[in-house]
Amino acid sequence: AQTVTQSQPEMSVQEAETVTLSCTYDTSESNYYLFWYKQPPSRQMILVIRQEAYKQQNATENRFSVNFQKAAKSFSLKISDSQLGDTAMYFCAAKETSGSRLTFGEGTQLTVNP
Amino acid sequence: GAGVSQSPSNKVTEKGKDVELRCDPISGHTALYWYRQSLGQGLEFLIYFQGNSAPDKSGLPSDRFSAERTGGSVSTLTIQRTQQEDSAVYLCASSPNTRDYSNQPQHFGDGTRLSIL
Repeated sequence: AQTVTQSQPEMSVQEAETVTLSCTYDTSESNYYLFWYKQPPSRQMILVIRQEAYKQQNATENRFSVNFQKAAKSFSLKISDSQLGDTAMYFCAAKETSGSRLTFGEGTQLTVNP
Repeated sequence: GAGVSQSPSNKVTEKGKDVELRCDPISGHTALYWYRQSLGQGLEFLIYFQGNSAPDKSGLPSDRFSAERTGGSVSTLTIQRTQQEDSAVYLCASSPNTRDYSNQPQHFGDGTRLSIL
């Protein structure tokens, strides 16, 4: 079984600044995948970034990057140059290689202020 | 369409009624997932279909919940004798069929918001 924990229910940031969202997880497997999804008010879950546990290099996608600390089981998301359109609920998720399901954290509501 | 399509977008029904929620995955995606998202909560896994394999039903909360996937494409999630605690957004996702399908991200639909009066 795996668990995912997001300890920040809400965060806010000024436009153009940088913000980091925290996520910790627990799994008994050695290989797994980690994801960050964004859910705006439209409800659709949008994949932001993903990381394969066997890769040491942190994933980056434009303004989004992760800090993956495998030993600490930590997977934080950094958003640089925050934009108003980044306002959304952000979910961290984990998927074991042997499993089929995504396990989600409770989510962090991010608000970008003008 | 290019994305996962779910219908209806919203559904309001009375307690005790049966409801059917539909998911049309992305063409060619063989893996299909149903999740439930209660108000202010993360997503809770319900059921998973992969090709012709037996579905993983381990997330279904009770025997009132069932799902089927006909022809390896469209899926229907059925909730019988609905109760107020069934009120939630039901999200469907699909992912492509690749050799290492576990690595593929899931593409989500917009969900069905179910409200039980």
